[in-house]
Amino acid sequence: AQSVTQPDIHITVSEGASLELRCNYSYGATPYLFWYVQSPGQGLQLLLKYFSGDTLVQGIKGFEAEFKRSQSSFNLRKPSVHWSDAAEYFCAVGLYNQGGKLIFGQGTELSVKP
Amino acid sequence: NAGVTQTPKFQVLKTGQSMTLQCAQDMNHEYMSWYRQDPGMGLRLIHYSVGAGITDQGEVPNGYNVSRSTTEDFPLRLLSAAPSQTSVYFCASGSGSYEQYFGPGTRLTVT
Repeated sequence: AQSVTQPDIHITVSEGASLELRCNYSYGATPYLFWYVQSPGQGLQLLLKYFSGDTLVQGIKGFEAEFKRSQSSFNLRKPSVHWSDAAEYFCAVGLYNQGGKLIFGQGTELSVKP
Repeated sequence: NAGVTQTPKFQVLKTGQSMTLQCAQDMNHEYMSWYRQDPGMGLRLIHYSVGAGITDQGEVPNGYNVSRSTTEDFPLRLLSAAPSQTSVYFCASGSGSYEQYFGPGTRLTVT
């Protein structure tokens, strides 16, 4: 069965430090990959997506993610974290020919120290 | 262009009561979905639809019904509420690119 794993439940980084959030997926074909961000009490906002082509994708708010097929990973990165980046981040997989279905990871909560 | 709207924002039900969570989108998206969010479990798919008149079950469909009579609307019905259905419910819509756009959520408490 398809699954998404985010190994880190909670991460704390200092403002200005770099960030990497991990995501691993299990799926028999090339998936459609997404990262979403959720601020407290809010809905989910799409940060970036990967469908095909260049394996390094750029998103909003200075985030990027790299698809590594050999590692079944899609890690999210940011060179310099801002206090406003504190939120929960979700990795998700969309399945080929199954539009309307996303499989989500458990989420990683990011705290930012001043 | 309001995107995806959900009503109500908050709801408290007693065990056994029924209710409908409303979801509407104005982006002419063919796909619509309902998820529930529980702490430590991410979002789990309840039901989804690939077009008007077509629905299917997701990961956690028990206790919920859906129908899709129009492209715009995708209501979620709780038949007989149980405390285990206390959760935050998100509706989403999307098109052929598979990305989904989420509504603001409905926080439901069942006592």
